[in-house]
Amino acid sequence: GAGVSQTPSNKVTEKGKYVELRCDPISGHTALYWYRQSLGQGPEFLIYFQGTGAADDSGLPNDRFFAVRPEGSVSTLKIQRTERGDSAVYLCASSLSAMDTQYFGPGTRLTVL
Amino acid sequence: DQQVKQNSPSLSVQEGRISILNCDYTNSMFDYFLWYKKYPAEGPTFLISISSIKDKNEDGRFTVFLNKSAKHLSLHIVPSQPGDSAVYFCAASASGGQNFVFGPGTRLSVLP
Repeated sequence: GAGVSQTPSNKVTEKGKYVELRCDPISGHTALYWYRQSLGQGPEFLIYFQGTGAADDSGLPNDRFFAVRPEGSVSTLKIQRTERGDSAVYLCASSLSAMDTQYFGPGTRLTVL
Repeated sequence: DQQVKQNSPSLSVQEGRISILNCDYTNSMFDYFLWYKKYPAEGPTFLISISSIKDKNEDGRFTVFLNKSAKHLSLHIVPSQPGDSAVYFCAASASGGQNFVFGPGTRLSVLP
């Protein structure tokens, strides 16, 4: 079956702009996660959704970052007033339910010039 | 302040031999550990997990060992195959949380 998909695969933007990154989880997966991976580092947890609600958003670095999952399926990560330090690969993962195996998408590489 | 450390950025092993990847953690509240494998341009793929009530978990060629007193875990791959060449991440969580903390990864190269 189809895995987790993320669009776009690459996004180049200018400092100060607004970006949206999309994640389509595996059908039927109720849990969805966003991570950020900087060069040479492991994925860094950002936020976790159970259904439509954010169950844990403790990893969001500041209020420029926001994520939604309005219908409990597709999720969008939104970054306002982008900064060069936001450049990273943003990974999305989904799991059947909490504590089940997380399946990762290929990521969106964000570059802020 | 890295809570999960993988002190070897890279490791090279001959095909057929054992690969041992190490991971150390500092947070004594961590009680669930995972290993992921990542190929270039792909997302990480789950390999194997272990909870703190066990000290070993085995799945085919992959075995994870946990030493709670030393706050250390290791992944053994036997025998190593060229297709195992990838970056391996160790991850940990506490009390059933979904907030996984990942290490920086170790790049494994299995030489034919």
